[in-house]
Formats: sequence, C-alpha cells, structure tokens
Amino acid sequence: GAGVSQSPRYKVAKRGQDVALRCDPISGHVSLFWYQQALGQGPEFLTYFQNEAQLDKSGLPSDRFFAERPEGSVSTLKIQRTQQEDSAVYLCASRKLTSQTNSPLHFGNGTRLTVT
Amino acid sequence: QQQVKQSPQSLIVQKGGISIINCAYENTAFDYFPWYQQFPGKGPALLIAIRPDVSEKKEGRFTISFNKSAKQFSLHIMDSQPGDSATYFCAASRGSARQLTFGSGTQLTVLP
Repeated sequence: GAGVSQSPRYKVAKRGQDVALRCDPISGHVSLFWYQQALGQGPEFLTYFQNEAQLDKSGLPSDRFFAERPEGSVSTLKIQRTQQEDSAVYLCASRKLTSQTNSPLHFGNGTRLTVT
Repeated sequence: QQQVKQSPQSLIVQKGGISIINCAYENTAFDYFPWYQQFPGKGPALLIAIRPDVSEKKEGRFTISFNKSAKQFSLHIMDSQPGDSATYFCAASRGSARQLTFGSGTQLTVLP
C-alpha cells in the first residue's frame, strides 16, 4: 500500500471491554508512533517503536494501554477495560529512517474509538 | 504542561487573503518545527517544516517564519483558497526520534 493503513476505522466498545487497534505502516519504515487525538485537540504522543523495540512508552496514559510490534512491521495498540475517557481517534504514523532529519512522518487516517 | 501554544483557535479568511497562524514553544531543546494540515476524517499531513538555524522557509503559497529568541514561529498562507479550509497544527520535536509535540490546532475557513 501507498500509505499507513489503520483498522478498524471505527470501533464502538462498551465500558470495560478490551479493544485492539491495528496499524500497517509503510513498507520499510523503521519508526512507528502511536498518537491519541481527542475531539478538537492536537494529537498527543503515546508510544514509539524503532523496528520491534519499543523505545518510548512515556505517553501511555495508564497500564491499561499496551502496544506491540513483534516483527518490526505491523503494530497493535491494545486497550484493556476501556473507559469513557479513552474515546478518541488513535493515529498511527511511520517514518523511513530515524537519523535522517528531513524524513517526514506519515500518518494514517486513524481509528475512532467510542466507549459507551 | 502544554509545551506548544497555538493561536488563534479558529480563523476565517476571504479567498485571496492571507492566513496567519502563530505558535509559541517553551522547550529550547526543540530543533524541528513542522506544520501539519488535517482534513476531517483524515490523518495529519506534513505541509512544511523548518529548523531553528533558518528564519524563514517558503514553499509555494506557504511560508514559515521563525523567531528563535522569542521562541515563536508562524505559518503564513498567501492567496488563501477554499481548498485550504482545514485544521492546521504546529508541532515541535527534538532528537533523532522526532517524537512530535503538537499545538491545539487552528480551524481555518476560507470563504469563496
């Protein structure tokens, strides 16, 4: 594919349910980021992978949030025991190289999670 | 702590006019300042970016002005078009990881 692909596009979960959000980055992209975007706000950093290594998870809001990228390609963001405050758009982004300062960050179209 | 402050929250401009969006940052370690454009239902897309060793960068109708001493930077959209109507985010990052800190966004409406 030409861009970052995220699935599902929309997810409705009842409070307390677990959800899994998938990200397919652009082929060959080393760096992968997850961001959370609340309605009317800018994206906020959640976590960062370089290949399969999770180098920064400082933005994950609680231990209910977990992300993995086991083979250095596809990534999954999992939210356990969802709460209403988890409702947001979850954006995935990837970048080709880590050391090239001009390498742009490519975003997917996000997964809109609604917790009822 | 909001490290990147963006204003205005919304902006209405006539077609052909100049749109100006401002951002201020706090962390002097930031060394990369991109602007992103986001349409409804889409992810942010990189518009233009600047590094602090340059005071201005122009790409087509889009210009970034950067004031390092004031810790401020702005986006100017010349000859604004209705197709420019979108939400614009400034951002900043530091280091090779390029983890971005975003502003809160400006919703731009260009009237035909």
